[in-house]
Amino acid sequence: QQQVKQSPQSLIVQKGGISIINCAYENTAFDYFPWYQQFPGKGPALLIAIRPDVSEKKEGRFTISFNKSAKQFSLHIMDSQPGDSATYFCAASMNTGFQKLVFGTGTRLLVSP
Amino acid sequence: DTGVSQDPRHKITKRGQNVTFRCDPISEHNRLYWYRQTLGQGPEFLTYFQNEAQLEKSRLLSDRFSAERPKGSFSTLEIQRTEQGDSAMYLCASSFPGVADGYTFGSGTRLTVV
Repeated sequence: QQQVKQSPQSLIVQKGGISIINCAYENTAFDYFPWYQQFPGKGPALLIAIRPDVSEKKEGRFTISFNKSAKQFSLHIMDSQPGDSATYFCAASMNTGFQKLVFGTGTRLLVSP
Repeated sequence: DTGVSQDPRHKITKRGQNVTFRCDPISEHNRLYWYRQTLGQGPEFLTYFQNEAQLEKSRLLSDRFSAERPKGSFSTLEIQRTEQGDSAMYLCASSFPGVADGYTFGSGTRLTVV
């Protein structure tokens, strides 16, 4: 019940295209859903996050869509650029007095020029 | 540099040796976390400190692992009698209380046990 399932494992998108990564969770107590971007040799960096009281959040080219009834959320990267090539992780946490993140298995995105 | 700093960046050790990693969090952050990331996987929670108190430990943190945060500043993670299965990236993160967006990871320490 603590798992977050992420797909696809890898993704190749042409420059200018839309990258879509999907995640699903089981635990309805989760109340915070961030996406992290990780470049090789670096730690994950927070990209965008959403709480379940909204269905969509947009920051620049990045959008999270959230479907509470389906227990699914997704990351959309519009106008994908070669610099977006990285590994993306979805995560979830619940309020237990502190934020303990449960991560998905990651999606390796390659944006071809 | 106002980020989370981890040292060393890379460590190669022989099986059975002890290793210690250090994490310096963002100075204003009183919450500190350790995660472990194996190749091709997402980070997994190991332990959490609020100031100097270790408030939660994952079952992943076996008896060979110990973490400390003296005086609520930097933290150390020690692994005794290392095993090949300990090979991973060890990530430290820090945050403000109650502010999810303040969760900042360091670049990690990559441990290779040979």
